[in-house]
Amino acid sequence: QVQLVQSGAEVKKPGASVKVSCKAAGYTFTYYAIHWVRQAPGQRPEWMGWINAGNGNTKYSQTLQGRVTLTADTSATTAYMELSSLTSEDTAVYYCARRFTSLDHWGQGTLVTVSS
Amino acid sequence: SYVLTQPPSVSVAPGQTATITCGGNNIRSKSVHWYQQRPGQAPVLVIYDDRDRPSGIPERFSGSNSGNTASLIINRVEAGDEGDYYCQVWDSTGEHHVFGSGTKVTVL
Repeated sequence: QVQLVQSGAEVKKPGASVKVSCKAAGYTFTYYAIHWVRQAPGQRPEWMGWINAGNGNTKYSQTLQGRVTLTADTSATTAYMELSSLTSEDTAVYYCARRFTSLDHWGQGTLVTVSS
Repeated sequence: SYVLTQPPSVSVAPGQTATITCGGNNIRSKSVHWYQQRPGQAPVLVIYDDRDRPSGIPERFSGSNSGNTASLIINRVEAGDEGDYYCQVWDSTGEHHVFGSGTKVTVL
């Protein structure tokens, strides 16, 4: 069955960077895009960007452009999301999700807390 | 930027029908997807492409999309259906996914 397993919770100081991993299993990794979505406490999900796992092409949210970098390691069937210049506004649960027409499978989420 | 509007909350008695709306300008021209999110858990896809159900989702869940409103209908509501529900579309103009404001479903 399709599984997306993410790395564990992170605590970072303002100004630092964080890198979250998303290990895919149960399907052909290069056939689908991986999208990243974050959700601040009590807020709706916010789309961050996506990566074509087959060719590495990316598209980023305009609000995060310049701070977010998505990569994929096809040999490890793992996608990565790196977010830099963190502020308290970046405290959220970060999700990876596979996209077919919709976001049909999601990782379990990674809590990133930004605090001094 | 494209905006999706949902009612903040819907309350329904067990066995009754819950209808959750999602308003957007000419939303009928877009494919609407719906997600259920229980507290502390990741979203789960319950309806995609307006009205299709992923495998494993009960037939009690259905969807429609017309004019400026898409709807998620939950028939014969059960206690396990409680949670937050979000509609979502792909905004081709801004080239990004847009999520609705979310609706909290409470089973009385």
